[in-house]
Amino acid sequence: AQSVTQLGSHVSVSEGALVLLRCNYSSSVPPYLFWYVQYPNQGLQLLLKYTSAATLVKGINGFEAEFKKSETSFHLTKPSAHMSDAAEYFCAVRPQGGSEKLVFGKGTKLTVNP
Amino acid sequence: KAGVTQTPRYLIKTRGQQVTLSCSPISGHRSVSWYQQTPGQGLQFLFEYFSETQRNKGNFPGRFSGRQFSNSRSEMNVSTLELGDSALYLCASSKGTGNSGNTIYFGEGSWLTVV
Repeated sequence: AQSVTQLGSHVSVSEGALVLLRCNYSSSVPPYLFWYVQYPNQGLQLLLKYTSAATLVKGINGFEAEFKKSETSFHLTKPSAHMSDAAEYFCAVRPQGGSEKLVFGKGTKLTVNP
Repeated sequence: KAGVTQTPRYLIKTRGQQVTLSCSPISGHRSVSWYQQTPGQGLQFLFEYFSETQRNKGNFPGRFSGRQFSNSRSEMNVSTLELGDSALYLCASSKGTGNSGNTIYFGEGSWLTVV
């Protein structure tokens, strides 16, 4: 079964610092990979997705992620953190073909300090 | 273009009661999935419906059920509510073709509190 591991349930950065949120997946074949963000008391908003078109994926709000098959990773980065980036971030995997079921990681709560 | 709409947004129920949650997907989307989010278990897949048929089901007891109508709108029902059913229930919609990286859009969720 496919799974996702997010390293670090809490990450704290200073405003203007690099944001790095880690995600490793387990899959026998390259899956589709997603990063979602959840602001307090809201649903999930898609940041970006990997669908095998390009290994470096650019998303909204200045975020990007790089798919590394050799490391089975899909880490999320942003060069300079803003206060508005404070939220919980979820990495998810979806197998190719079949249903639209997503398997989520446990999430990483990002705190941005002034 | 309207997003995924879930109703009600907030509700409080008593143990033993049942609850029905509703989801209207984005126009043109045929797949609707439901997820339960709790602090302890995170985001867990409940089930997915495509063209009125359940296509996939998560590991939840039979008290959790759902259905999809011909207009793609979906409902989920939880019977004999337990305190542990308190959660945010999220609905997601997509085109549902399943053979490409379809974007999956989420609603704002329905907050269920069981007392």
